[in-house]
Amino acid sequence: DGGITQSPKYLFRKEGQNVTLSCEQNLNHDAMYWYRQDPGQGLRLIYYSQIVNDFQKGDIAEGYSVSREKKESFPLTVTSAQKNPTAFYLCASSRGQGDPEAFFGQGTRLTVV
Amino acid sequence: LAKTTQPISMDSYEGQEVNITCSHNNIATNDYITWYQQFPSQGPRFIIQGYKTKVTNEVASLFIPADRKSSTLSLPRVSLSDTAVYYCLVLIYNQGGKLIFGQGTELSVKP
Repeated sequence: DGGITQSPKYLFRKEGQNVTLSCEQNLNHDAMYWYRQDPGQGLRLIYYSQIVNDFQKGDIAEGYSVSREKKESFPLTVTSAQKNPTAFYLCASSRGQGDPEAFFGQGTRLTVV
Repeated sequence: LAKTTQPISMDSYEGQEVNITCSHNNIATNDYITWYQQFPSQGPRFIIQGYKTKVTNEVASLFIPADRKSSTLSLPRVSLSDTAVYYCLVLIYNQGGKLIFGQGTELSVKP
């Protein structure tokens, strides 16, 4: 089944700990994205990558880090520097520049206590 | 940056046609207009995209006037299952296709 998979669906962490969210796609897409969504709000772009081994900061990159070592994988690390990490995190992929159709995963709900 | 503005919320009744308008005054020549739908606790889903005039698919129609400073998503005969948040995006060509979501319009369809 082709698609984009995020894991885990729910994640709990203690304050001060780093945590890595997984995102894998088997759609052979070049571009991948990470978004954060807070209750009642729209999506805010954290990082995006148009090609392997390259990525750019989005609007709210502080306190987050990513890597893009493989085309199918784009993990997001929420570091202890992120002030308010509790949120719903969404990963997406698309064919790349000029293609408006992005495919989203089911999201990871991160709660930091 | 082609910022978008759309109503925060709209109400409708089953069977009605719903039109959601989005303004994007700073849209550039090579930018496209795209709409997404999001249900609670799910990722957004692509609905439709367009450049100018009218585009129609099995889900919706998209109307874009000649000046392209606004666009209207039209949902024919909505049902309760169309209750969702609808996002208007401008795909910014010279920024490598970066997808920026705005606040969205929360559509509530009532019986």
